[in-house]
Amino acid sequence: AQSVTQLGSHVSVSEGALVLLRCNYSSSVPPYLFWYVQYPNQGLQLLLKYTTGATLVKGINGFEAEFKKSETSFHLTKPSAHMSDAAEYFCAVSESGANSKLTFGKGITLSVRP
Amino acid sequence: GAGVSQTPSNKVTEKGKYVELRCDPISGHTALYWYRQSLGQGPEFLIYFQGTGAADDSGLPNDRFFAVRPEGSVSTLKIQRTERGDSAVYLCASSLTGTSKFFGPGTRLTVL
Repeated sequence: AQSVTQLGSHVSVSEGALVLLRCNYSSSVPPYLFWYVQYPNQGLQLLLKYTTGATLVKGINGFEAEFKKSETSFHLTKPSAHMSDAAEYFCAVSESGANSKLTFGKGITLSVRP
Repeated sequence: GAGVSQTPSNKVTEKGKYVELRCDPISGHTALYWYRQSLGQGPEFLIYFQGTGAADDSGLPNDRFFAVRPEGSVSTLKIQRTERGDSAVYLCASSLTGTSKFFGPGTRLTVL
């Protein structure tokens, strides 16, 4: 069984500040890891994913995440927050292999203060 | 269309009624998924189709829930004898090969 833990439900940062959204996972097999963003009244959009290879992955909108197997973590970061980053962010894990189902965390709402 | 579409966008029904939710995947995508997102939670897997067949239906909560994909494209999620606890946003996603899944905007189901 797989699971994802996203501690806290809400993060607030100032515009231009570092964004750090934490994600820890549990998996009995080598995982694939994902971050999705959900803007109000819109569908989930893939920000980035880790499958194999380089553990630091870069995604859209300046976000990146690092897979740390020893810490079972896949934290999402962005050096400088923009107002348009305000949204809900979901971390997800799947078994390796194509078309495996995703197991999501509860999500974190990111607010950006002017 | 360019993306995954879902209809209706909102559905309000009464307890005990039957509902159907439709998903149009991206053209050519062979894999299709249904998820359910309750308020304040992340999406939960319901069922996965590869082509016309359900490859994994382990997430369906009970036998009131059923899904079909008869021609390997459009899928319909069917819920019989709806209960208030079925109220949620139902998400559909599709993918071609590999790991990138594209999600639709969802159908918000409210059971009164």
